[in-house]
Amino acid sequence: EDKVVQSPLSLVVHEGDTVTLNCSYEVTNFRSLLWYKQEKKAPTFLFMLTSSGIEKKSGRLSSILDKKELFSILNITATQTGDSAVYLCAYSGAGSYQLTFGKGTKLSVIP
Amino acid sequence: GAVVSQHPSRVICKSGTSVKIECRSLDFQATTMFWYRQFPKQSLMLMATSNEGSKATYEQGVEKDKFLINHASLTLSTLTVTSAHPEDSSFYICSAPPPGWNTDTQYFGPGTRLTVL
Repeated sequence: EDKVVQSPLSLVVHEGDTVTLNCSYEVTNFRSLLWYKQEKKAPTFLFMLTSSGIEKKSGRLSSILDKKELFSILNITATQTGDSAVYLCAYSGAGSYQLTFGKGTKLSVIP
Repeated sequence: GAVVSQHPSRVICKSGTSVKIECRSLDFQATTMFWYRQFPKQSLMLMATSNEGSKATYEQGVEKDKFLINHASLTLSTLTVTSAHPEDSSFYICSAPPPGWNTDTQYFGPGTRLTVL
């Protein structure tokens, strides 16, 4: 069965720290991997990755995909309290619109 | 960016009643919308794909007679939880891909928290 595993499940850091969130997946017919940030409400889109080795960057956030090893990481540098959220990883398979989500990593950034 | 709204944001109902949740794409037309359910500390699970002008496609294990989906226009999909029971209490989220984007980059509504007493 296809699945997505995120680690760690939760993480507490101090402001200014750098964090790396992990996402591994097992899926047939992989098409893309996506990262979302979920605060108290709905997820907001961060990145979509389709090719290995190409880093996507947005401000202090960056992400990269390794299709050979079937994992992706999300990096956040110089963390701020506003980065506190659950970060969700999801994949989509070819021929389907369905997104399959991992359980998420709950990040807490303390002042 | 594309905006998707949901209404209501929170609803509490008695067991046995039906609840309707609306999902609207505010600045684009969506021929397809998706309905997810998220239990506490769990992942988002796709329930069904809502298709404008045709029947919804339900995921395995989701009762189509219990979770009625209507996608009557290009900007509105509704999910009706019929004869709700406490185990239906959950966070329901819809999403839609904006036209011209890769379908994978779905934009989510703010969600509806349903509590069935």
